[in-house]
Amino acid sequence: DARVTQTPRHKVTEMGQEVTMRCQPILGHNTVFWYRQTMMQGLELLAYFRNRAPLDDSGMPKDRFSAEMPDATLATLKIQPSEPRDSAVYFCASGFGQGVISEYFGPGTRLTVT
Amino acid sequence: GQQLNQSPQSMFIQEGEDVSMNCTSSSIFNTWLWYKQDPGEGPVLLIALYKAGELTSNGRLTAQFGITRKDSFLNISASIPSDVGIYFCAGGFYDKVIFGPGTSLSVIP
Repeated sequence: DARVTQTPRHKVTEMGQEVTMRCQPILGHNTVFWYRQTMMQGLELLAYFRNRAPLDDSGMPKDRFSAEMPDATLATLKIQPSEPRDSAVYFCASGFGQGVISEYFGPGTRLTVT
Repeated sequence: GQQLNQSPQSMFIQEGEDVSMNCTSSSIFNTWLWYKQDPGEGPVLLIALYKAGELTSNGRLTAQFGITRKDSFLNISASIPSDVGIYFCAGGFYDKVIFGPGTSLSVIP
């Protein structure tokens, strides 16, 4: 039963601290997406990679957020320094093909910044 | 910028009833997607639509890609309790995708 895994599932941190979220996409999927979900803004696409190359990160605040894909089995989203407004659920998703279809979402990382 | 509207915002229906919800925009899209999200979980892809006028079914779910490319609808027939959740539409245009605010569905047994 292939699935996208994310760690940690929950993270509470203080403002100013660095936060790293990890994602393992489904084996064989060539596209990995990072989303943020909040009550106010809903589900927003932050960035995505195809064949490990960044394709679009226009939805991501560049000054503090960074996304990387060091290998085909690991994607990371880092926030440094974190701020209370970054509190949200961060989802990773993966898919296969040339489009922007997130076929499978992970369970999410719930981030709380105090 | 691009924005999607979903209606209704929420709905309460009796088990066994059919459900209809839609998604509209002032912008055109070349892909329409429908997802369902249960509490505490990630969205699950239900149906993907790739061209104007396309009508696609997945079990009791049917979705259509509007002719104008600015809208899409999702129908659920003979609703059951496990249909409860939030349904999101998403519009894709080349390398961009945006999600609607969701329709919350409650099913009364």
